[in-house]
Amino acid sequence: TQLLEQSPQFLSIQEGENLTVYCNSSSVFSSLQWYRQEPGEGPVLLVTVVTGGEVKKLKRLTFQFGDARKDSSLHITAAQPGDTGLYLCAGAYGSGGYQKVTFGTGTKLQVIP
Amino acid sequence: EAGVAQSPRYKIIEKRQSVAFWCNPISGHATLYWYQQILGQGPKLLIQFQNNGVVDDSQLPKDRFSAERLKGVDSTLKIQPAKLEDSAVYLCASNERLGPRYEQYFGPGTRLTVT
Repeated sequence: TQLLEQSPQFLSIQEGENLTVYCNSSSVFSSLQWYRQEPGEGPVLLVTVVTGGEVKKLKRLTFQFGDARKDSSLHITAAQPGDTGLYLCAGAYGSGGYQKVTFGTGTKLQVIP
Repeated sequence: EAGVAQSPRYKIIEKRQSVAFWCNPISGHATLYWYQQILGQGPKLLIQFQNNGVVDDSQLPKDRFSAERLKGVDSTLKIQPAKLEDSAVYLCASNERLGPRYEQYFGPGTRLTVT
């Protein structure tokens, strides 16, 4: 099983601050997804990155896939209380007809009004 | 489009009892996953089905956990007998296998408490 380490594990910031979450591995992934999960609910997909070096923006969220497709980052600009939640990265890997998916360790974000 | 359905949402049982969870994926999604999630951590894959065949069950504790997807649609995950450390949220997810993207759609999960 490929491992994905996220950092930081916990983050508590004031509304309006910027933050970056990292997702790192020593393994190569064919694609990487970012999810946000709120208490009592399942994770919800935010974005998928496929190409090394790819950058995607979703309003105040910027996602980057590392050039070697081993790592990714999520940057949030001007965080809002609605951004509070557990952020998860997930990487797809393998060959042949069936790829496998592994999830990162998670980053719990709290944005204080 | 209806999302991934799971039931029950909550379950409390005593250790050594058995329990079963049900999942109905999004219509047309060939791949179905069961995950175990400890509070505040990332989901851990228990089993992955492609249609009604098992793709990966390497992390499924097969002495007590079992899962089936008989007709390639809905699925059941069973624990027998349950242990205290099985207390967790059990998530079901599905996807269409869109090339390399592997985007998953999750149900709301079943929160299991073993006392």
